[in-house]
Amino acid sequence: KAGVTQTPRYLIKTRGQQVTLSCSPISGHRSVSWYQQTPGQGLQFLFEYFSETQRNKGNFPGRFSGRQFSNSRSEMNVSTLELGDSALYLCASSLKGGKYEQYFGPGTRLTVT
Amino acid sequence: EDQVTQSPEALRLQEGESSSLNCSYTVSGLRGLFWYRQDPGKGPEFLFTLYSAGEEKEKERLKATLTKKESFLHITAPKPEDSATYLCAVQDNYGGSQGNLIFGKGTKLSVKP
Repeated sequence: KAGVTQTPRYLIKTRGQQVTLSCSPISGHRSVSWYQQTPGQGLQFLFEYFSETQRNKGNFPGRFSGRQFSNSRSEMNVSTLELGDSALYLCASSLKGGKYEQYFGPGTRLTVT
Repeated sequence: EDQVTQSPEALRLQEGESSSLNCSYTVSGLRGLFWYRQDPGKGPEFLFTLYSAGEEKEKERLKATLTKKESFLHITAPKPEDSATYLCAVQDNYGGSQGNLIFGKGTKLSVKP
């Protein structure tokens, strides 16, 4: 069974630009969550999507947005990039979300210069 | 406010030297506590889920236990390949944070041959 895939794996952007990251969940999983990981803050929850609806949102500015498609694939968008947005962005898929285990992808390493 | 604290931040062991990692948590209502292992440059790998105090789970050299305030990850006779950062996360049953994982900062384990 294929795991969670994320593209691209590495990305370098300039301040002020926008970026879109993609996540394909494990087949059959309907929940996709996004996390930001930095050395200082650790792993922080961004948002969760289930059946194309945002079900939960973390404490991040509106520059961070996402969506989920009918095939459960998800995209995350960050607009007007700031230096502090440099991080590893992780996607996790779960059968139904909630108490079900979340399985993480390898992440997208975003560097903002 | 939900909080997860892991200790120690870093742990160095000799091969075969057993030890325990601690995860203390504060949540309104615990839906689940999760342990993950993360290798450098990779996404977290799911290890265990614990749902109620007194529950224990084992996998190879790892054993996770749960009380009402903390969880322990016991490592018996570790090997160098057990070297990684171990992350603990909780899921709250109440309030606006339902469904998302709240992570601790992790314990970086190094096992020397």
